[in-house]
Amino acid sequence: EPEVTQTPSHQVTQMGQEVILRCVPISNHLYFYWYRQILGQKVEFLVSFYNNEISEKSEIFDDQFSVERPDGSNFTLKIRSTKLEDSAMYFCATTWDVSQPQHFGDGTRLSIL
Amino acid sequence: QKEVEQNSGPLSVPEGAIASLNCTYSDRGSQSFFWYRQYSGKSPELIMSIYSNGDKEDGRFTAQLNKASQYVSLLIRDSQPSDSATYLCAVNADTDKLIFGTGTRLQVFP
Repeated sequence: EPEVTQTPSHQVTQMGQEVILRCVPISNHLYFYWYRQILGQKVEFLVSFYNNEISEKSEIFDDQFSVERPDGSNFTLKIRSTKLEDSAMYFCATTWDVSQPQHFGDGTRLSIL
Repeated sequence: QKEVEQNSGPLSVPEGAIASLNCTYSDRGSQSFFWYRQYSGKSPELIMSIYSNGDKEDGRFTAQLNKASQYVSLLIRDSQPSDSATYLCAVNADTDKLIFGTGTRLQVFP
């Protein structure tokens, strides 16, 4: 069964450094999302992306965050200057239609020191 | 603020019993409803989707939706120890983003 692939599985970074989290969506999926889950808390929406544009972003997704699809396959989340509170699991999710279920990747555990 | 509410549990059931998981949501305009299973340290895995009032069955799982009461439930029949996980209720409100509940932790004991 096709999968959403995320890399790396674990990223450890010093506070203030930039990180890029990568996602390869399922091949016929058109709608892409990033969510995060702080340890012990609920899964929270960050941003949705369709047709090379951000469709919606949450209050969490401030100027330090950006997304792009640089090469038609990867979908990336960049955090420019990481903070301690950015430590979380980051999940990429994709779907072929907005009414259909979103399929999640295995996640990237981001640890900010 | 659109909310999805779940009892955090743990819900403990013996092996072979029926586990009943409940969820309420605040946005009456919500259209799509999903149950995901999340093992500790893992990503959410889709179990069921439901879009219209009534019941939807898939194997040992039955999802129930009551839009008038803004209530979604998941029944797991013949519960197995491998079903022990956190079950997340997720709702599409007026946009395609998913709004998640905090999840209900299910423990199935032998």
